[in-house]
Amino acid sequence: SAVISQKPSRDICQRGTSLTIQCQVDSQVTMMFWYRQQPGQSLTLIATANQGSEATYESGFVIDKFPISRPNLTFSTLTVSNMSPEDSSIYLCSVGGASNQPQHFGDGTRLSIL
Amino acid sequence: EDQVTQSPEALRLQEGESSSLNCSYTVSGLRGLFWYRQDPGKGPEFLFTLYSAGEEKEKERLKATLTKKESFLHITAPKPEDSATYLCAVPRETSGSRLTFGEGTQLTVNP
Repeated sequence: SAVISQKPSRDICQRGTSLTIQCQVDSQVTMMFWYRQQPGQSLTLIATANQGSEATYESGFVIDKFPISRPNLTFSTLTVSNMSPEDSSIYLCSVGGASNQPQHFGDGTRLSIL
Repeated sequence: EDQVTQSPEALRLQEGESSSLNCSYTVSGLRGLFWYRQDPGKGPEFLFTLYSAGEEKEKERLKATLTKKESFLHITAPKPEDSATYLCAVPRETSGSRLTFGEGTQLTVNP
């Protein structure tokens, strides 16, 4: 399966600032996704990163707060904007192929907001 | 709405003590069920795909089974290195490329 690298692996940020998380895949993939995993909880899908078009956001997540880029088939970024302590979480990138296929995940970015 | 429920939330076993984890779902017309393992500080690691009722998959001490309403992850003679959170997920009815995850079962195997 694809090798997925996320940067940074962790960060501590001040409230009100923004952080951009990068996701790099070692092969071209059709679908890329961004998830949030709050402490002790399961994965919540933020958005699907579409190559060549705007990301598709899930209910409760908006582009102004979580802008996403997908410039090509191997790379995507997620920005967490105007951060507050409630944004402290693990942010995960995943990749998938055809419908009804499993996704494969990077190791995530552990984000803490002070 | 798609729902995936895992039980128990947490499970403690002694090394060698076999048990099962449960994943039940409400998606009609199931188009696949996936099991993942997640270690602390890591992303979920894909384990198994099941597509049809009656299907079974095995990997070392793990065996996943599927019925029309639920899946089980059987752990035979577990070792401490099997300690992790186990997640199951199903493709959404409305969009098969997107997944709905359960809350996970945190497994601890004591030596």
